[in-house]
Amino acid sequence: SQTIHQWPATLVQPVGSPLSLECTVEGTSNPNLYWYRQAAGRGLQLLFYSVGIGQISSEVPQNLSASRPQDRQFILSSKKLLLSDSGFYLCASFRDAGANSPLHFGNGTRLTVT
Amino acid sequence: QKEVEQNSGPLSVPEGAIASLNCTYSDRGSQSFFWYRQYSGKSPELIMSIYSNGDKEDGRFTAQLNKASQYVSLLIRDSQPSDSATYLCAVNGGLHQLIWGAGTKLIIKP
Repeated sequence: SQTIHQWPATLVQPVGSPLSLECTVEGTSNPNLYWYRQAAGRGLQLLFYSVGIGQISSEVPQNLSASRPQDRQFILSSKKLLLSDSGFYLCASFRDAGANSPLHFGNGTRLTVT
Repeated sequence: QKEVEQNSGPLSVPEGAIASLNCTYSDRGSQSFFWYRQYSGKSPELIMSIYSNGDKEDGRFTAQLNKASQYVSLLIRDSQPSDSATYLCAVNGGLHQLIWGAGTKLIIKP
């Protein structure tokens, strides 16, 4: 079965510092991968998705970027963090290839920008 | 713009009672509907999916879908304190897109 790994679990970073969050997937090949952010008390906001190596689509303009250097690796980055970047970051993939498949999430990274 | 609406709550239900959670959506073309449970500080986990009109039961959970009225609901029978969580409704909004509600916080009182 598919497993999504995310690290770190928690992160406290000062404003203006860089960011790198990593997500790796086991148990599947060529997955579609997604980065979501959840602000405190809010719903899930799709940030980026990738359908393959080197292919990134951005859903919202922001100071974050994503990369997919390997089939099962998805990285979220920032050169300079803002206070508004604080939140719970979730990596996700569809459970299977079907059009009606639900999303499956990693354990998430709690980012606090101070 | 495609939207999913949920009452933010909190919804307080006595232990052993039925908890009823509701969700409405704007896109008539949606085909897939999901309920996720999210405990505080944890990632969402899928508890129910439903694709056709009517009821779908899984243990103490029942999902109900009414495409004509564009709503989907989740019933939790014999509510337990461990059911206390935020419940997120998600609706398929097209390729690569799940549209998410903001979630309903459910509190089960012993």
